[in-house]
Amino acid sequence: GEDVEQSLFLSVREGDSSVINCTYTDSSSTYLYWYKQEPGAGLQLLTYIFSNMDMKQDQRLTVLLNKKDKHLSLRIADTQTGDSAIYFCAEGDNQGGKLIFGQGTELSVKP
Amino acid sequence: DAGITQSPRYKITETGRQVTLMCHQTWSHSYMFWYRQDLGHGLRLIYYSAAADITDKGEVSDGYVVSRSKTENFPLTLESATRSQTSVYFCASSESPPGAYGYTFGSGTRLTVV
Repeated sequence: GEDVEQSLFLSVREGDSSVINCTYTDSSSTYLYWYKQEPGAGLQLLTYIFSNMDMKQDQRLTVLLNKKDKHLSLRIADTQTGDSAIYFCAEGDNQGGKLIFGQGTELSVKP
Repeated sequence: DAGITQSPRYKITETGRQVTLMCHQTWSHSYMFWYRQDLGHGLRLIYYSAAADITDKGEVSDGYVVSRSKTENFPLTLESATRSQTSVYFCASSESPPGAYGYTFGSGTRLTVV
């Protein structure tokens, strides 16, 4: 069945780049997503990538997609303390509406 | 206000009591979802609904009941609350298929069962 895996924790220094990795299993996913969850809040869509793209850049965020290896990554340039949060990757399954979420990576940014 | 709202924001209930968590969305999204979030488990799907009067079980549906008589509402009921149901519950909605907008999540309900 479908599964999405992420490492659980990442710690970086303020100003460094952060790279959060994700592997997925469903090669038919049309969209892949990154969500951000700040403490005490719901998940917010951060960015997405269409499956026929290799890369998408949006200000400090860069998403890379390697379809051959089913690997998705989110790079945050010049990481700030406000970027401290849990980041979830998600893929669209092949049954219409459902997304499959990873367990989330907790990013800790130290000053 | 447009959006997806959950109520209550916080709830404490006793073991064995029935409790209902509310979810309301204003976009007329066809899909709605209930997840629970626990440390070490990420998000786990409880129930989802593809349209009014159509619901289906997720991976952790035991002990929960849902209904969807109107497109905009998707209440989740714990029939007889247990301590293992202490969790943060999130409702979400989406178009079908989710497309570039993915899911939109509510702010969550923190439920404590004592």
